[in-house]
Amino acid sequence: ETGVTQTPRHLVMGMTNKKSLKCEQHLGHNAMYWYKQSAKKPLELMFVYNFKEQTENNSVPSRFSPECPNSSHLFLHLHTLQPEDSALYLCASSQDLLAAFQETQYFGPGTRLLVL
Amino acid sequence: DQQVKQNSPSLSVQEGRISILNCDYTNSMFDYFLWYKKYPAEGPTFLISISSIKDKNEDGRFTVFLNKSAKHLSLHIVPSQPGDSAVYFCAASEGGSYIPTFGRGTSLIVHP
Repeated sequence: ETGVTQTPRHLVMGMTNKKSLKCEQHLGHNAMYWYKQSAKKPLELMFVYNFKEQTENNSVPSRFSPECPNSSHLFLHLHTLQPEDSALYLCASSQDLLAAFQETQYFGPGTRLLVL
Repeated sequence: DQQVKQNSPSLSVQEGRISILNCDYTNSMFDYFLWYKKYPAEGPTFLISISSIKDKNEDGRFTVFLNKSAKHLSLHIVPSQPGDSAVYFCAASEGGSYIPTFGRGTSLIVHP
């Protein structure tokens, strides 16, 4: 098992819906991340949390709202999304931010999101 | 503009032969480079890395070469195996930023 789990694995939602993606890590890590992977594009960093504090918001639209209630859980709340937001959303964690720099970000399997 | 480029979206190789995956970067401040491997329906997993103070790092069948003057790195897999079929992401980071910048990935298919 990867140590980083994401639910749901697949999600179809309308533009007026509100949904949440959940990420949980069982590795005792202190840093967690949300990435977006669109077709034919590089992985795009969205948010970074370090010790439950948001340290980076990579110019993400406000229709994406992250929440990190503790070091093990990370949520991405979605509302009034657009079809172009359809993508694979990956959660990752690392021991700390330095570990992300050098190596060993551990990724979850992702949530495949389709916005209709 | 992409700072990390993987210009080959796909690569097909015969089992037992060498696979060479290429990556170019534009930011001269990058000083650490990583390769991740991703199977379908799974998240990327770390494969191998190299610091800018080195020009080669080897781990079993996987070797990464770094050419700083050309801002180019490559991943060599020898011998290639069907289980190596996956998408390979190149990533780079700089000390001040700590978060890797990823390329688009190259899909490797190793034929039996």
